[in-house]
Amino acid sequence: DQQVKQNSPSLSVQEGRISILNCDYTNSMFDYFLWYKKYPAEGPTFLISISSIKDKNEDGRFTVFLNKSAKHLSLHIVPSQPGDSAVYFCAAQEYGNKLVFGAGTILRVKS
Amino acid sequence: KAGVTQTPRYLIKTRGQQVTLSCSPISGHRSVSWYQQTPGQGLQFLFEYFSETQRNKGNFPGRFSGRQFSNSRSEMNVSTLELGDSALYLCASSAPGTKETQYFGPGTRLLVL
Repeated sequence: DQQVKQNSPSLSVQEGRISILNCDYTNSMFDYFLWYKKYPAEGPTFLISISSIKDKNEDGRFTVFLNKSAKHLSLHIVPSQPGDSAVYFCAAQEYGNKLVFGAGTILRVKS
Repeated sequence: KAGVTQTPRYLIKTRGQQVTLSCSPISGHRSVSWYQQTPGQGLQFLFEYFSETQRNKGNFPGRFSGRQFSNSRSEMNVSTLELGDSALYLCASSAPGTKETQYFGPGTRLLVL
């Protein structure tokens, strides 16, 4: 039972353009969401988070949007840079500090 | 501030053996969580410790156990290793409080032969 879904296994974007990564969830009890970036054989690096009481959070080139009624969130990266190429994981926080992760989306930014 | 550290970084074991992995959280962080990453199952939650007590547990067999010490350092142990236990084991720490971001260590790559 996948409670957090990232339906796009991969995304390819030209340098300087916008990257949009999507995530859907099924559990309405989730109230805190995070995006992590990960390189192979390394730990995930925190990018940005959003609480369910908000619908948008920005941090530099990264913006996360949350649509609670649709149980959908998205990460926008503008402008995309080659160094952004990595695997991006969406995660939702349950009780305590348990994170439920999506399967990840491989982002390739072409120069 | 130093980040989350994990030791060892790489480990090779054989089936039936046991293994202990160590995690030192960011200074001041009292919550430590463990995750397993495999190609087939992705990132899965193992358990969380807070103030030396297990606060939450994922859906893993009893062969997987952990503990936390008074300085918040944590260890996880896997007994009677199976081939399927080969994975990247990640530790994450967070500050006290709710809705606190978890910061991950570099992981321990375990290979079971």
